Amino acid sequence: DGGITQSPKYLFRKEGQNVTLSCEQNLNHDAMYWYRQDPGQGLRLIYYSQIVNDFQKGDIAEGYSVSREKKESFPLTVTSAQKNPTAFYLCASSIQLNTEAFFGQGTRLTVV
Amino acid sequence: GNSVTQMEGPVTLSEEAFLTINCTYTATGYPSLFWYVQYPGEGLQLLLKATKADDKGSNKGFEATYRKETTSFHLEKGSVQVSDSAVYFCALSDPIIGNTDKLIFGTGTRLQVFP
Repeated sequence: DGGITQSPKYLFRKEGQNVTLSCEQNLNHDAMYWYRQDPGQGLRLIYYSQIVNDFQKGDIAEGYSVSREKKESFPLTVTSAQKNPTAFYLCASSIQLNTEAFFGQGTRLTVV
Repeated sequence: GNSVTQMEGPVTLSEEAFLTINCTYTATGYPSLFWYVQYPGEGLQLLLKATKADDKGSNKGFEATYRKETTSFHLEKGSVQVSDSAVYFCALSDPIIGNTDKLIFGTGTRLQVFP
């Protein structure tokens, strides 16, 4: 089945540690996105990628980094510079920018 | 710039009641419009979409009509069920690259349906 897979579903880290969230898609989509969602809040765009080896900052990129070495994969690293990393992280992909997006099931990151 | 405004929630209804969740948008081009649904602890799922004025998107009993004259895309369902309890997001995309490089989401509206 085609889709977007995020792993793990739950992640716990100690404060000050970097952590990488995985996102893989087999939909052959060019564009991929990372969003952050806080309780009771909407989605805020962290980074997006239009094509392999290219990515752009979204609205809240500080403290995060990404790579897009393969079309299928768009991992997100939450660095120790991110002041409030505890949140629900959603990965999405679309055929190209500005078309309907398909979302993964999310990763809930808790930093203690 | 482009933006989406949704009614604030929560919207609380009894089972079989009629649902309307309002969504209005601002766009410089001719956007496509979407409704996404998020069940607790999950990602977003595309519920329905409309790509041009007067189009009606529909799915699972939900409907929304793209109204260019009122810049609206209100979500409706004639008879809600407890299983419809979720957060609903309105979104737009501008097909002209450069107007905006991403989907624009509303803040979401929580729907709670009680038996």
